[in-house]
Amino acid sequence: AQSVSQHNHHVILSEAASLELGCNYSYGGTVNLFWYVQYPGQHLQLLLKYFSGDPLVKGIKGFEAEFIKSKFSFNLRKPSVQWSDTAEYFCAVTANSGNTPLVFGKGTRLSVIA
Amino acid sequence: DTEVTQTPKHLVMGMTNKKSLKCEQHMGHRAMYWYKQKAKKPPELMFVYSYEKLSINESVPSRFSPECPNSSLLNLHLHALQPEDSALYLCASSQEHIGVRYFGPGTRLTVT
Repeated sequence: AQSVSQHNHHVILSEAASLELGCNYSYGGTVNLFWYVQYPGQHLQLLLKYFSGDPLVKGIKGFEAEFIKSKFSFNLRKPSVQWSDTAEYFCAVTANSGNTPLVFGKGTRLSVIA
Repeated sequence: DTEVTQTPKHLVMGMTNKKSLKCEQHMGHRAMYWYKQKAKKPPELMFVYSYEKLSINESVPSRFSPECPNSSLLNLHLHALQPEDSALYLCASSQEHIGVRYFGPGTRLTVT
């Protein structure tokens, strides 16, 4: 079964700082990878996804993530964060075959301060 | 339209009550899901329906009973819940099991 590890529990950044949130997964086969965001009081929204092709994927709101197969990683990046990026970020993975569930990491809380 | 709707938004129920949560999607998705989310935690999968049939039950207690009346609707029937069942209950749908899950806003359930 697959598993996901997010390295940072809580990240605090000043506005305009660069962001990188770590995500590593454990699974021997082909995977589909996702980053979801949950703003305070709101529902989970898809930021970006990787299924195949270019390992550098761009999502909404200026976020991007890079799939590095050799490192089993799918880190999320943003060059310059804004106060409105304050949210909980979840990395998730599902196997690219069969009836397998979507597995979430524990999440990283991002707090952006002025 | 990538919208999943859920009703009610909030629900307070006693431990002897029977209530139901409802979820609806009109994206033609064939897989639908119930998740439970506690504060500051990731969603935990409860049930998966595929083509209106229950395909995954993650060892959920029988006081939670899912139902899929048709391809657009998903219900979660609640009976004799415990206070520790208080959580945000999320519904999601996807075109296929390997695809993007689209989440609804959730029902905030409080069991008293």
